[in-house]
Amino acid sequence: GAGVSQSPRYKVAKRGQDVALRCDPISGHVSLFWYQQALGQGPEFLTYFQNEAQLDKSGLPSDRFFAERPEGSVSTLKIQRTQQEDSAVYLCASSSRPPSGKETQYFGPGTRLLVL
Amino acid sequence: SQKIEQNSEALNIQEGKTATLTCNYTNYSPAYLQWYRQDPGRGPVFLLLIRENEKEKRKERLKVTFDTTLKQSLFHITASQPADSATYLCALGRHEVGSQGNLIFGKGTKLSVKP
Repeated sequence: GAGVSQSPRYKVAKRGQDVALRCDPISGHVSLFWYQQALGQGPEFLTYFQNEAQLDKSGLPSDRFFAERPEGSVSTLKIQRTQQEDSAVYLCASSSRPPSGKETQYFGPGTRLLVL
Repeated sequence: SQKIEQNSEALNIQEGKTATLTCNYTNYSPAYLQWYRQDPGRGPVFLLLIRENEKEKRKERLKVTFDTTLKQSLFHITASQPADSATYLCALGRHEVGSQGNLIFGKGTKLSVKP
């Protein structure tokens, strides 16, 4: 299919372990977003890329969270020294244009992270 | 602080009735508002977008209204069906330069349509 894909779908990590979550956006989409969704809550914005440029990282909760999109396509969200409060679903979304109010964000299925 | 509230965590209605979901916001001036559907274990799926200068948008059985005076959006599903059962999320988009990509989501309302 041509949708947004994320891997792994599920990740169990021990507290203190580093994890890397991957997002493959829709081909050609310039904008890529990461969100964190806790159980029973709506998605919360983490960071946004336009091509390879990270234009907004205001939602990253701490310096343990790092995201990159070096070639303007695939993106990786890395969490260092995971904590139990990092347990959540991490959603990736992409859109075909820079945000202007007109575009649709297409979401992937998410990676469910459980930190023990 | 900025706050988005969706009227209830859960809404149960009978098949064929109109479902009405509410999204209220405070301390915020959105440029646009979007509604998404989310099924268990899946990412949100875009349904409708309405801009601050629009009062109403329709798409098939869906209707969205946006009242910037009341700071409220209503989302209606007419002739509801059991397949409409899902969680519906509203999301606000911002004016500020550099933050237009930053959607702020409500917690969602879980709709159950019973046959």
